[in-house]
Amino acid sequence: GAGVSQSPSNKVTEKGKDVELRCDPISGHTALYWYRQSLGQGLEFLIYFQGNSAPDKSGLPSDRFSAERTGGSVSTLTIQRTQQEDSAVYLCASSRVRVMNQETQYFGPGTRLLVL
Amino acid sequence: KQEVTQIPAALSVPEGENLVLNCSFTDSAIYNLQWFRQDPGKGLTSLLLIQSSQREQTSGRLNASLDKSSGRSTLYIAASQPGDSATYLCAPLGGSGYNKLIFGAGTRLAVHP
Repeated sequence: GAGVSQSPSNKVTEKGKDVELRCDPISGHTALYWYRQSLGQGLEFLIYFQGNSAPDKSGLPSDRFSAERTGGSVSTLTIQRTQQEDSAVYLCASSRVRVMNQETQYFGPGTRLLVL
Repeated sequence: KQEVTQIPAALSVPEGENLVLNCSFTDSAIYNLQWFRQDPGKGLTSLLLIQSSQREQTSGRLNASLDKSSGRSTLYIAASQPGDSATYLCAPLGGSGYNKLIFGAGTRLAVHP
């Protein structure tokens, strides 16, 4: 079946502009995660959705970052007034949480964001 | 707060060698631990998942062990091949109220013919 898909695959924007990144999880996966991979920073958690609610937003770096999920499926991550330090690869993952110790997260290919 | 350390940071070996990649984590109250592979410019591919109650998992030439009480996991790669060249990431899930993956910085592996 289809894996996690993300769009766009690459995005170049000017400092101060808003961007929207999209994630389509695997069908039937109730949990959705956003991570960010910055040069020299490694992979860091941003936000977790269970269904349409976000019980853990602790990784969002500032109030310029927000995310939503609709219909228990597609999620969008929005970055307002982008800054150069927002340049990174944004990765989305989904999982079908049944039993926590068996949860496997499947990752999309990522969106490479470059803020000039 | 969970912290994950991977050793070595980089490894370059000739084809055919058996390899050991190490991962340590500070909070042992985890649900499971995943090993991932990341190729340059690509996303993450899940290699193995070890549940908290398990000691090891095997897939082909890969074997991962978990010692939860000591906060350690090891990924063994047998008979390495140039196609194994990638970055390998270790990520425990959960524990202490988390259900997100916390990643190590990875081990960059280069296998040369």
